[in-house]
Amino acid sequence: GESVGLHLPTLSVQEGDNSIINCAYSNSASDYFIWYKQESGKGPQFIIDIRSNMDKRQGQRVTVLLNKTVKHLSLQIAATQPGDSAVYFCAENSGGGADGLTFGKGTHLIIQP
Amino acid sequence: NAGVTQTPKFQVLKTGQSMTLQCAQDMNHEYMSWYRQDPGMGLRLIHYSVGAGITDQGEVPNGYNVSRSTTEDFPLRLLSAAPSQTSVYFCASRSDRGLYNEQFFGPGTRLTVL
Repeated sequence: GESVGLHLPTLSVQEGDNSIINCAYSNSASDYFIWYKQESGKGPQFIIDIRSNMDKRQGQRVTVLLNKTVKHLSLQIAATQPGDSAVYFCAENSGGGADGLTFGKGTHLIIQP
Repeated sequence: NAGVTQTPKFQVLKTGQSMTLQCAQDMNHEYMSWYRQDPGMGLRLIHYSVGAGITDQGEVPNGYNVSRSTTEDFPLRLLSAAPSQTSVYFCASRSDRGLYNEQFFGPGTRLTVL
């Protein structure tokens, strides 16, 4: 089946810099996308979502951008903090029969002091 | 609210043993799901339920059974454990208020099958 993937397995950024985590998806029928944060030993935690009728959505220190033309999703984290260190997953819900999400493999965000 | 709870947190089984992973939520959510997470891979859907009495298969259902007798509980059963089922298992729930809403995850159960 179609899958969601991430470009980089590890991203290292300096504390205080902005982080950009990318995601490519291949299911053109997907109409809802979510970013999750997973800290070590914990379950995924919702960060922000976006529907396919939007190309940008902002939250507190986070922004998600959706480019449907190239099937690309990104998560921007402003002024990265040590607490942002985690694995970040993008996920899609194509709206089909399975009431679940298709997850990418994840990007490990490492914060350098 | 406790949110989504899972028990046990850790479990070691021998090949062929059976066990049930428990999942409960106190948010009155209709939708519940089970995922497994393996190293280097994203979460994969095992089974899901859209309400009490209704279950369906996800991407990787083989070797697992589920039931949904109440809104709160969604246990996952391994009838005959295999080493390939060594993984971290996450239960999740969300409300039925529209397709686009947040899914809450439990803390996970780390299962090792020897």
